[in-house]
Amino acid sequence: AAGVIQSPRHLIKEKRETATLKCYPIPRHDTVYWYQQGPGQDPQFLISFYEKMQSDKGSIPDRFSAQQFSDYHSELNMSSLELGDSALYFCASSALQRGTEAFFGQGTRLTVV
Amino acid sequence: KQEVTQIPAALSVPEGENLVLNCSFTDSAIYNLQWFRQDPGKGLTSLLLIQSSQREQTSGRLNASLDKSSGRSTLYIAASQPGDSATYLCAVRTSGGNTPLVFGKGTRLSVIA
Repeated sequence: AAGVIQSPRHLIKEKRETATLKCYPIPRHDTVYWYQQGPGQDPQFLISFYEKMQSDKGSIPDRFSAQQFSDYHSELNMSSLELGDSALYFCASSALQRGTEAFFGQGTRLTVV
Repeated sequence: KQEVTQIPAALSVPEGENLVLNCSFTDSAIYNLQWFRQDPGKGLTSLLLIQSSQREQTSGRLNASLDKSSGRSTLYIAASQPGDSATYLCAVRTSGGNTPLVFGKGTRLSVIA
């Protein structure tokens, strides 16, 4: 079965650079979520989209933005990167008509140096 | 604000033992609850989803129960194996089918051969 695909898997950036993370949800899933997980931490919700419209916003810094495109893939754009942005970034998707079970991608490990 | 607590934070058991992981949440008005497994540096794998109207779900050696009124869920693992070693995360969806999951900090399980 198709899973949530994230790219790239690993990313190394310098401070003050920008990064773009991509997420391809499971086909026919209507909701996409972005989470950030620091070392030894639980996943923290950043932002979500339902049917390509932003639906909920969590602890997402103003330096970050996200959008969902017509083909349902989503991108998380991160600017003015800081050392503290180093983390695992997960994308998840779910479908209202399928019990809303959330499925997570393998994540993008971002390292800011 | 929904808060999710998992006890214990870490657990070490000998192979073959049955064990119980605990999850509690402060707002009992949940939509559903999901248990995940996470291996170090990897993505989250969905184990079980319990809707708010359900009392338990089973998958193989795993059984999850939900007591919404008391704000508690348990994950029971039967006949534990070294391959079960991982961090187990509990997450609740507070309202609506496409609202974000709120995670606990997880229980780190080690099964010793």
